[in-house]
Amino acid sequence: GAVVSQHPSRVICKSGTSVKIECRSLDFQATTMFWYRQFPKQSLMLMATSNEGSKATYEQGVEKDKFLINHASLTLSTLTVTSAHPEDSSFYICSARPFGQGAHQPQHFGDGTRLSIL
Amino acid sequence: QKEVEQNSGPLSVPEGAIASLNCTYSDRGSQSFFWYRQYSGKSPELIMSIYSNGDKEDGRFTAQLNKASQYVSLLIRDSQPSDSATYLCAGWGGNTSGTYKYIFGTGTRLKVLA
Repeated sequence: GAVVSQHPSRVICKSGTSVKIECRSLDFQATTMFWYRQFPKQSLMLMATSNEGSKATYEQGVEKDKFLINHASLTLSTLTVTSAHPEDSSFYICSARPFGQGAHQPQHFGDGTRLSIL
Repeated sequence: QKEVEQNSGPLSVPEGAIASLNCTYSDRGSQSFFWYRQYSGKSPELIMSIYSNGDKEDGRFTAQLNKASQYVSLLIRDSQPSDSATYLCAGWGGNTSGTYKYIFGTGTRLKVLA
């Protein structure tokens, strides 16, 4: 149980392109999903917390107009990297926390999306 | 600033030995802790969760929590080369606009030598 599906797994595109990444909880509902970014040999960095039916909460230094987050249902959150540039190339990972199951529930991670901007 | 600290390693152990990974945290209000394994180029995979003082065992893995001393540990028995990865310790904390988020340690890189 507690499977999170993330799609696509890899994207290679030209500078200036907008890229959408989907994160789905397959067997549970999640009012809260999280988006992380990880550069090589570095720690996971939380970018934003996605809340179903409301605006996302962005971490300090993350441009909300650059990284658009939509959490339209209890099983789907999307991250759109708008007008991507080479410095946006990174490993993007989403996670989800099961809804309504208490304070001890872990986050479950998707497989990640490797984004390469040429 | 709420923090979770880990030794970055690498921690090298011979195959078959016990690997001991440690984590300390600063927020006494944190109640739940989680150990994840992350292979290079992959996303984190949940190994263990713990929220009560004491030990919790699952196969070759044992998580330990000591709330008075504010540390969490993970023991891996009979370590295998396939256990070589980065191990991340995380706790719930950080109330940003009413939403809790993980506070991650930087991870400990484990190398199991065949």
